[in-house]
Amino acid sequence: SQTIHQWPATLVQPVGSPLSLECTVEGTSNPNLYWYRQAAGRGLQLLFYSVGIGQISSEVPQNLSASRPQDRQFILSSKKLLLSDSGFYLCAWSVGSRVYEQYFGPGTRLTVT
Amino acid sequence: KNEVEQSPQNLTAQEGEFITINCSYSVGISALHWLQQHPGGGIVSLFMLSSGKKKHGRLIATINIQEKHSSLHITASHPRDSAVYICAVTSGGGADGLTFGKGTHLIIQP
Repeated sequence: SQTIHQWPATLVQPVGSPLSLECTVEGTSNPNLYWYRQAAGRGLQLLFYSVGIGQISSEVPQNLSASRPQDRQFILSSKKLLLSDSGFYLCAWSVGSRVYEQYFGPGTRLTVT
Repeated sequence: KNEVEQSPQNLTAQEGEFITINCSYSVGISALHWLQQHPGGGIVSLFMLSSGKKKHGRLIATINIQEKHSSLHITASHPRDSAVYICAVTSGGGADGLTFGKGTHLIIQP
């Protein structure tokens, strides 16, 4: 069966510090991968998605970046965090070029102080 | 860009009541998703539909493509149904990300 892992589960970082969140998927090949963010009091928003290694599409301009160094690994990074980067970050995966369900990871709660 | 609106934003009901949550969107879609988010933040996919109606246990989801509207119904509601219910749509191909509504915060009181 397929599983999706995210770490860390919670993170408290000072403004200006770097960020690296990792997501890995097991039990499937060539998944589509997604990063979403849920800011306090706001709805979920798509940040990045990837259909293959090294292929990243950005939906929202910001100081975040994403990378996909391996087929089932998706990394969200920042060189310098802002207070507005606080939120709940979710990784998700789907398979195929048709419309399929997306499966969400457990999430990382990031607080920038 | 698709705009997804949900109503109501907050709903408190008594155990056993029939619950309806509505979702409308502005642009044609490939599929509509209903998601459930529990207090810890984890998200579970309840339904994905592109036409008609789907049922799973006490949950029923319907969609009217012509009217760009979907409803999620919960029959015989129970306190464990308390959660945030989120409507999301896919407008393009399967690899495209989701566009979300702001969610409906549902509380079922015993």
